[in-house]
Amino acid sequence: DAGVIQSPRHEVTEMGQEVTLRCKPISGHNSLFWYRQTMMRGLELLIYFNNNVPIDDSGMPEDRFSAKMPNASFSTLKIQPSEPRDSAVYFCASSLKRDTEAFFGQGTRLTVV
Amino acid sequence: ILNVEQSPQSLHVQEGDSTNFTCSFPSSNFYALHWYRWETAKSPEALFVMTLNGDEKKKGRISATLNTKEGYSYLYIKGSQPEDSATYLCALLFGNEKLTFGTGTRLTIIP
Repeated sequence: DAGVIQSPRHEVTEMGQEVTLRCKPISGHNSLFWYRQTMMRGLELLIYFNNNVPIDDSGMPEDRFSAKMPNASFSTLKIQPSEPRDSAVYFCASSLKRDTEAFFGQGTRLTVV
Repeated sequence: ILNVEQSPQSLHVQEGDSTNFTCSFPSSNFYALHWYRWETAKSPEALFVMTLNGDEKKKGRISATLNTKEGYSYLYIKGSQPEDSATYLCALLFGNEKLTFGTGTRLTIIP
């Protein structure tokens, strides 16, 4: 397996534009996490899916953020409209089940200018 | 809010010396503890997953212990090498299944 695949690796966009980040988890993994890396908070959990169902989205900062997992092999994180303070590295991770290690994608570095 | 605290925030260790750092967490509703190693410009990679009080895990020169009753885990590195330089993250899985990370300990090995 190629591991968790995120796209794009880098995204530069203008303030106010819609941004969509994509993630393909490892095949067979039931849990998927979206994290944001910030200087202040380190790895901040945004949302967690189990069997494609959002379990906890309390970490999603605002209504501008939304996430979907239409099937077991694909998830998106959308920011609309984007703001400069959204600039960060966004990681997707998946795990086989709740008590096993999480495997991280390479991250998407988002810059909003 | 479930706080996962790691200390120290950063650490400089002479090559060849051994070191350790701490992850503290609320002991109630504990399910599992993960340790990850995160090198600059890469993604976090899992070192250990521990679930039982008293668990001890070892991988080469790195080992970890877990005390769920008092809410802490130690990560030990024996005979530090330059390639050990990284940020070490602790993550807790609580009953609600949120894998919550601490802010990490940044380790720098001085040759």
